[in-house]
Amino acid sequence: GDSVTQMEGPVTLSEEAFLTINCTYTATGYPSLFWYVQYPGEGLQLLLKATKADDKGSNKGFEATYRKETTSFHLEKGSVQVSDSAVYFCALSEQSNYQLIWGAGTKLIIKP
Amino acid sequence: KAGVTQTPRYLIKTRGQQVTLSCSPISGHRSVSWYQQTPGQGLQFLFEYFSETQRNKGNFPGRFSGRQFSNSRSEMNVSTLELGDSALYLCASSFLAGETQYFGPGTRLLVL
Repeated sequence: GDSVTQMEGPVTLSEEAFLTINCTYTATGYPSLFWYVQYPGEGLQLLLKATKADDKGSNKGFEATYRKETTSFHLEKGSVQVSDSAVYFCALSEQSNYQLIWGAGTKLIIKP
Repeated sequence: KAGVTQTPRYLIKTRGQQVTLSCSPISGHRSVSWYQQTPGQGLQFLFEYFSETQRNKGNFPGRFSGRQFSNSRSEMNVSTLELGDSALYLCASSFLAGETQYFGPGTRLLVL
């Protein structure tokens, strides 16, 4: 079945460092790919998405490119801030079964 | 436009009791999905409703059930609560199935 694998955390970085959180997927069809973020004590917020190969999603300085050849959707940001500290989830959705398949989440800690 | 709302936000129950959680989707959204989030199992899909019909169900026992009303509001019910049902229950809505899902803040259930 479909699955999402993301790098284990926590990931600890200093402010203004470059961020990469790896995400790879397995899917039978042509899924849409998402990054969601969860701040402490809150629900999930959509960060960015891509619906087809080579699409780049971007929001708030974060970017991810849908790479079909490597089945990846890595999240990147050029300069992180303390306020980016949160748990980041990679997910996929296939239109055939109406559900999001989730990675385990990566906790990001940014130190001033 | 108001976001997804969930009530109650927090709930404490004892083993054997039953509980009903409510979700109001974003206005105009017709698809509502429910997810369970726990530290051990991560995010898991419970079920999805569209136009009052359950179209997909995750791998949960029959104690977990749901329904959707004609105004797209949804409820989920858990009967005969177990300690392992303690979790954050998240509701998400989308205009159509397979499109971007927007999440509510969740209901945190504690079973004692």
